[in-house]
Amino acid sequence: EDQVTQSPEALRLQEGESSSLNCSYTVSGLRGLFWYRQDPGKGPEFLFTLYSAGEEKEKERLKATLTKKESFLHITAPKPEDSATYLCAVHHRDDKIIFGKGTRLHILP
Amino acid sequence: GAGVSQSPSNKVTEKGKDVELRCDPISGHTALYWYRQSLGQGLEFLIYFQGNSAPDKSGLPSDRFSAERTGGSVSTLTIQRTQQEDSAVYLCASSPRTRSIQYFGAGTRLSVL
Repeated sequence: EDQVTQSPEALRLQEGESSSLNCSYTVSGLRGLFWYRQDPGKGPEFLFTLYSAGEEKEKERLKATLTKKESFLHITAPKPEDSATYLCAVHHRDDKIIFGKGTRLHILP
Repeated sequence: GAGVSQSPSNKVTEKGKDVELRCDPISGHTALYWYRQSLGQGLEFLIYFQGNSAPDKSGLPSDRFSAERTGGSVSTLTIQRTQQEDSAVYLCASSPRTRSIQYFGAGTRLSVL
């Protein structure tokens, strides 16, 4: 069965404390992996797309990486404004899109 | 330019009533998706429209749910005979083509009393 699992479910960090969020997937024929950020009361906002193992993308304090089985969203020296829910989504060969349940990230000042 | 617009932003209804949720996608986007997000849960795929192709309805949870997309633009999600378990945030997203970045609206929060 195709699945996308994100861990941890929630993460509390001190400002400046770097960490990583995980998205592991078991899907048939990956066509792309997407990371989104969702703030309370809003729809998800696009961050990154990764298409092949070994690919990396960076934006400000965030870096996304991809292997054949999982993706990591690394956050370096986070700030309180990075607090949000981070969602991972996988497109697979049937054009289905599967979202993980997300990681709720809280950065303490 | 304008993003994806959803209306209403909030809807409170009584059990058994029908509701219609509207989505105005970004102009020119051929793909349109509906999702449901329950408290603390991820996004549950409901239905997908791509151009003039037949929609993918595989995510609709029951025959009380239906959706249409008129003129390749505006979409309406209809829930008939609402139940309390239908309470959730309903999100719409559009993208310029399939397998591309999705742009989401702010959602409609549906509460069934």
